[in-house]
Amino acid sequence: GQQVMQIPQYQHVQEGEDFTTYCNSSTTLSNIQWYKQRPGGHPVFLIQLVKSGEVKKQKRLTFQFGEAKKNSSLHITATQTTDVGTYFCAGPPWGYNKLIFGAGTRLAVHP
Amino acid sequence: NAGVTQTPKFRVLKTGQSMTLLCAQDMNHEYMYWYRQDPGMGLRLIHYSVGEGTTAKGEVPDGYNVSRLKKQNFLLGLESAAPSQTSVYFCASSYRAGWDYGYTFGSGTRLTVV
Repeated sequence: GQQVMQIPQYQHVQEGEDFTTYCNSSTTLSNIQWYKQRPGGHPVFLIQLVKSGEVKKQKRLTFQFGEAKKNSSLHITATQTTDVGTYFCAGPPWGYNKLIFGAGTRLAVHP
Repeated sequence: NAGVTQTPKFRVLKTGQSMTLLCAQDMNHEYMYWYRQDPGMGLRLIHYSVGEGTTAKGEVPDGYNVSRLKKQNFLLGLESAAPSQTSVYFCASSYRAGWDYGYTFGSGTRLTVV
C-alpha cells in the first residue's frame, strides 16, 4: 500500500543549529502538507506545496517539494526552543482521496 | 470561533465497555475525520465524512462506528472497547477535500482501555 516515510525519527540539536527532516513517498503525491505538533498538543497545519520543485518559506522554515513529487523536506535555520515538537508530512497519492501521514520527526532543542 | 472541539479529553474504559467520542466544529466545514495516534505510527485514519449523512472507512475502521447526523458534529463510537484501542484520538475537519486543503485538528481525546 501507499506509504510515507520520514527520517530521522528523532533529532536533538543545540539552540541555533539547523535542522532538516525528510519525507519520502512510495507513490507520486498530488500535494504535500506539513504539520507541527507540540508536546501534548494537536497537529497544526503549517503549509501545503502543490507544484513540482516548489519551495516555500515561512520565516526560518523552508519547505521543498521534489521534482518527481515523491519527496519533500523541511529545513529550520537557527533553531529556537519554540521549534520543539513533532513535524509530520502528509500527502494524498494521485487518485487517492485520503491524506497519508508520515510517522513524524521529533525535534528536541537544547538551550 | 472555537474551531474543532472534542469531548471528553480523557477517559478510562474497562474492556468490553462502550463509549462515544464527540467532535464538533463551528467552521461550516464539509469534511470531517477521525484519526488515532500511536507512538511511532503517526496518524492513522479511522473513518471520515464528506458531508452530512455520509461516512466512509479509513485505514483502520475495525472496532469503530461513526455517525454524521448534523454537519457540525461527527461521532466516533466504540461498541466493545479493547486494550488495542488505547490511543489518542484526534478529530479534524476541512472546508473542502482535506487531501487538497489543510486540516484543522481538535485537541484530542486520550483513551485508556484496561
